[in-house]
Amino acid sequence: EVQLVVSGGGLVQPGGSLRLCCAASGFSFSDHYMHWVRQAPGKGLEWVGLIRNKTKSYTIEDAASVKGRFTISRDDSTNSLYLQMNSLKTEDTAVYYCSRGMGDWGQGTLVTVSS
Amino acid sequence: DIQMTQSPSSLSASVGDRVTITCRASQDIRNELGWYQQKPGKAPKRLIYAASSLQSGVPSRFSGSGSGTEFTLTISSLQPEDFATYYCLQQNSYPLTFGGGTKVEIK
Repeated sequence: EVQLVVSGGGLVQPGGSLRLCCAASGFSFSDHYMHWVRQAPGKGLEWVGLIRNKTKSYTIEDAASVKGRFTISRDDSTNSLYLQMNSLKTEDTAVYYCSRGMGDWGQGTLVTVSS
Repeated sequence: DIQMTQSPSSLSASVGDRVTITCRASQDIRNELGWYQQKPGKAPKRLIYAASSLQSGVPSRFSGSGSGTEFTLTISSLQPEDFATYYCLQQNSYPLTFGGGTKVEIK
C-alpha cells in the first residue's frame, strides 16, 4: 500500500523558514516523480512543484509564486521528499500535500505564516 | 501558463441525479487531464486520469471524456458519498494548473 506521510508544518513568522518532509513507503520511491501541492484555507488547489527521478537527473519544475524561495529535494536512500521554504509570506499559509505523480497523495500538513 | 476554466463553480443535486462538470483549457492539452474529488479536511483523490481512464477502485458511475480543450466529468447517478468538491488538473505542461473547483451540494 502506498503511504505518504507529511510532517514539518507549523507556525512561522513572515520572512522565516520551514522544511517539510514527505516520508514515502509501499512503492519504489526512486522510480517516481514527486510533487508538492498546496491549498490555502477555503481556497482551491495550487501546484507548487515537482522533482523528477534519477533517470531524469532529479530536475525540478516549480511555480512562479515560489520560485527562488522554495527548494524541492529528495533522498532516495531514505525514501524522503523535502520542501525547503524560505522567505515565507503570509500568502504561503496553506495545507501542503505531497503526491506521487499526482496519483497518490499524502494527508497534508498545515503551514501558517503569521506574526 | 495554461488556464483551466471549470464550470459550474457549485451545483445542487439530489441522490440519483446525473451530474456533469466541465473544464475548458486555454490551449490544446491533448488528453493530459485528471479529475479529483476532495472532501472537507481530506487530501484530494484522483478519480480519472488521461481524460477518460478510471482510477483503480473508483466506482464506475464516474466517467470522463474529452480531448484538446474541452473535458467533462460525469457522475451517472449521484450517491450520498459523492457530495464533495471536484477539481480538474492539466498535466500537459508546466506549471501544472487546476481548475477552480466545483462544489457538489445536496439539494
